Amino acid sequence: EDQVTQSPEALRLQEGESSSLNCSYTVSGLRGLFWYRQDPGKGPEFLFTLYSAGEEKEKERLKATLTKKESFLHITAPKPEDSATYLCAVQSLRAGNNRKLIWGLGTSLAVNP
Amino acid sequence: DTGVSQNPRHKITKRGQNVTFRCDPISEHNRLYWYRQTLGQGPEFLTYFQNEAQLEKSRLLSDRFSAERPKGSFSTLEIQRTEQGDSAMYLCASTSTVAGAVPSYEQYFGPGTRLTVT
Repeated sequence: EDQVTQSPEALRLQEGESSSLNCSYTVSGLRGLFWYRQDPGKGPEFLFTLYSAGEEKEKERLKATLTKKESFLHITAPKPEDSATYLCAVQSLRAGNNRKLIWGLGTSLAVNP
Repeated sequence: DTGVSQNPRHKITKRGQNVTFRCDPISEHNRLYWYRQTLGQGPEFLTYFQNEAQLEKSRLLSDRFSAERPKGSFSTLEIQRTEQGDSAMYLCASTSTVAGAVPSYEQYFGPGTRLTVT
């Protein structure tokens, strides 16, 4: 069964304290792995797509990496405005044309000033 | 702003009433998804459209839920005889499946409609 597990569930950092969020997945053929940011009461905001092991993507203080079993979202020198829930989702090749996403439960990140 | 838009943003209704939500996808996107999200959970797939055709509906979706995309542009999601368990955030997302030089599979989400059933 295709599955996505994110850890930790919650993370509290001091401003400037770098850390990483984990997304472990089991899927029958990975089409893509997606990272989203979600602020309270809002829809998920797309961050990155990763397609193959070894791929990396960067955007400001965020860097996403992918292996055959997991993905990491590295946050370098975070600021309070990085506080949000970070969601990971995968798309299986077995899903075929419907491109349905399989979601993790997210990591709630709080960055204290 | 050319992103996905949803209306209304918030809806409070009494149990047993019908509600309808609207989603306007990114204009060049041919595919549209509806999701439901409750606190602490990832989005749960409800249904999706390719242009005006509804291609799949979740088995978890009761007959009280119906969705349309009449002209392949905006979509509506209607919930009849609402129940307290329907209280959730309803999310719409869109994407393009048109073949291009660089394939992309990400979905872009709207701000959501928060439904509260009292």
